[in-house]
Amino acid sequence: EPEVTQTPSHQVTQMGQEVILRCVPISNHLYFYWYRQILGQKVEFLVSFYNNEISEKSEIFDDQFSVERPDGSNFTLKIRSTKLEDSAMYFCASSLGRRAYNEQFFGPGTRLTVL
Amino acid sequence: AQSVAQPEDQVNVAEGNPLTVKCTYSVSGNPYLFWYVQYPNRGLQFLLKYITGDNLVKGSYGFEAEFNKSQTSFHLKKPSALVSDSALYFCAVRDRMDSSYKLIFGSGTRLLVRP
Repeated sequence: EPEVTQTPSHQVTQMGQEVILRCVPISNHLYFYWYRQILGQKVEFLVSFYNNEISEKSEIFDDQFSVERPDGSNFTLKIRSTKLEDSAMYFCASSLGRRAYNEQFFGPGTRLTVL
Repeated sequence: AQSVAQPEDQVNVAEGNPLTVKCTYSVSGNPYLFWYVQYPNRGLQFLLKYITGDNLVKGSYGFEAEFNKSQTSFHLKKPSALVSDSALYFCAVRDRMDSSYKLIFGSGTRLLVRP
């Protein structure tokens, strides 16, 4: 069964450093998403991406964040200058369509720890 | 604003007994409702969804969920729990009148099935 994959599984970085989290969505999916979950809190939407552009972003997704699909398979989330409060589990997801009933398929997550 | 509540942080049940994991939602329009499960070191796995029609929805691994519009609930159920069902369960909603891409998640309920 096709799966969303994410690398690395755990990333430790120093405050102020740039990090890139990588995802490989399911191959025939067209819509891509990033969510995050701060420890003990709810899973929160960050951004959605379609046709090589951002289709929606949350208030959390400020200028420090960017997303990119550099090739036909990878989907990345970049944090330019990490802050302590960026420490969280980051989930990538993809869906075949954008309709509200299309389920989103999630990867295993990358745990980001900012020291 | 859309929201999802999972009132129980943890549910404990003996193997072989029926289980229920509760979820209530709030949307301005009509909802699409989803259940996801997270096993340790794995991503959020889609279990089932309610779109329209029959209020009882069947999903993966013998799980089902009942949509109750008057109570704005979408409780997850299984007639006979297995130890392997022990995991973290998330309810999520999208408003079918909302053009947003994002899933709104509950805080999660940890299910512990004891042998």
